[in-house]
Amino acid sequence: GESVGLHLPTLSVQEGDNSIINCAYSNSASDYFIWYKQESGKGPQFIIDIRSNMDKRQGQRVTVLLNKTVKHLSLQIAATQPGDSAVYFCAENTGGNQFYFGTGTSLTVIP
Amino acid sequence: ETGVTQSPTHLIKTRGQQVTLRCSSQSGHNTVSWYQQALGQGPQFIFQYYREEENGRGNFPPRFSGLQFPNYSSELNVNALELDDSALYLCASSRQGITGDEQYFGPGTRLTVT
Repeated sequence: GESVGLHLPTLSVQEGDNSIINCAYSNSASDYFIWYKQESGKGPQFIIDIRSNMDKRQGQRVTVLLNKTVKHLSLQIAATQPGDSAVYFCAENTGGNQFYFGTGTSLTVIP
Repeated sequence: ETGVTQSPTHLIKTRGQQVTLRCSSQSGHNTVSWYQQALGQGPQFIFQYYREEENGRGNFPPRFSGLQFPNYSSELNVNALELDDSALYLCASSRQGITGDEQYFGPGTRLTVT
């Protein structure tokens, strides 16, 4: 079956510092990955995605890195702000209809 | 905020009962996916509906069923509720052939089974 896991369940960073959230996946056939942010009382919100033919993709203050050799995904948030406090999930897709989510990392930004 | 709405917001049911959860999709979207999110876990795919038919299913028993209506809204039905069914139920609206930035989640329905 699918297995998407995160290395750290919680992460605390000082406001203004950079944050790095990691994710391991087990299915080498996965070819599409998404990072989601979920705030309390809300559904997951799309942050950034990456396809398996890429190693890096940048958005506004966020960068996703994909290392297919070790099946590892990371999300980097630059200049972390209090509004970034949330649970972050990686999700993988093998081309079908299903997205497989990891357990999540809770990010707390300390003012 | 997304254009995806879910009702009710919260629900308390007793073990063995049946429940129906509702989802209204974003305008222009023809696909609805349902997810179960247990406390402290990531969402788990239940099934997807496209043009009123089931179009993929996760590892959930048959007592989890659904419907999609001509206006693309959807229902999730759960029969013979069990305590482990307590979770946040999320629906996600999209077009077929989705990419992640085109799939919008609703706020979820919190189901508690006692």
